[in-house]
Amino acid sequence: GQNIDQPTEMTATEGAIVQINCTYQTSGFNGLFWYQQHAGEAPTFLSYNVLDGLEEKGRFSSFLSRSKGYSYLLLKELQMKDSASYLCAVRDDNTDKLIFGTGTRLQVFP
Amino acid sequence: EAQVTQNPRYLITVTGKKLTVTCSQNMNHEYMSWYRQDPGLGLRQIYYSMNVEVTDKGDVPEGYKVSRKEKRNFPLILESPSPNQTSLYFCASSLSRRGTDTQYFGPGTRLTVL
Repeated sequence: GQNIDQPTEMTATEGAIVQINCTYQTSGFNGLFWYQQHAGEAPTFLSYNVLDGLEEKGRFSSFLSRSKGYSYLLLKELQMKDSASYLCAVRDDNTDKLIFGTGTRLQVFP
Repeated sequence: EAQVTQNPRYLITVTGKKLTVTCSQNMNHEYMSWYRQDPGLGLRQIYYSMNVEVTDKGDVPEGYKVSRKEKRNFPLILESPSPNQTSLYFCASSLSRRGTDTQYFGPGTRLTVL
């Protein structure tokens, strides 16, 4: 079957670091995406991992372990504008579909 | 500016009244897709198109139709809308369906069917 799990909600303080986890079970794997989505707006691309390891892009980093079916998105130096939902999505190379998790709603407090 | 546009952005309609949501991209992308987003269910794919005149069903195609007569346009048609189609709809496009190709999303259409 296909399943992507991520926490529903998380809270953090401005300036802190937060890690959003994503575990997946798909019939095939051809990459994992993280998207950011502010309320009522379109998802916007944050990162893509296809090989194991850490990809760093400014304040955001994304990690992948294919053997564990696990990824995380790390947000550093949190800002109020980082309050949003973060969507984990896996491309299944058997079906060629992009399968989305339900998203993690992050609230950043002053 | 490279973008995906959708119209209308908001629509309230009644059961059974046919409607079309338009989607257009200016990036010469081959792959286009429609999703619906509902609370607690995430983004679910309705239909997708690999290229002109090539369309296929996603995970939740019932009650929807699409067409791809031109590369840039991918309209979503609801022939007889029902209240369970009340949702937030996103059109997306990418260069192809390859693993590395990022999907770019339109701004969304919030549809309410009474």
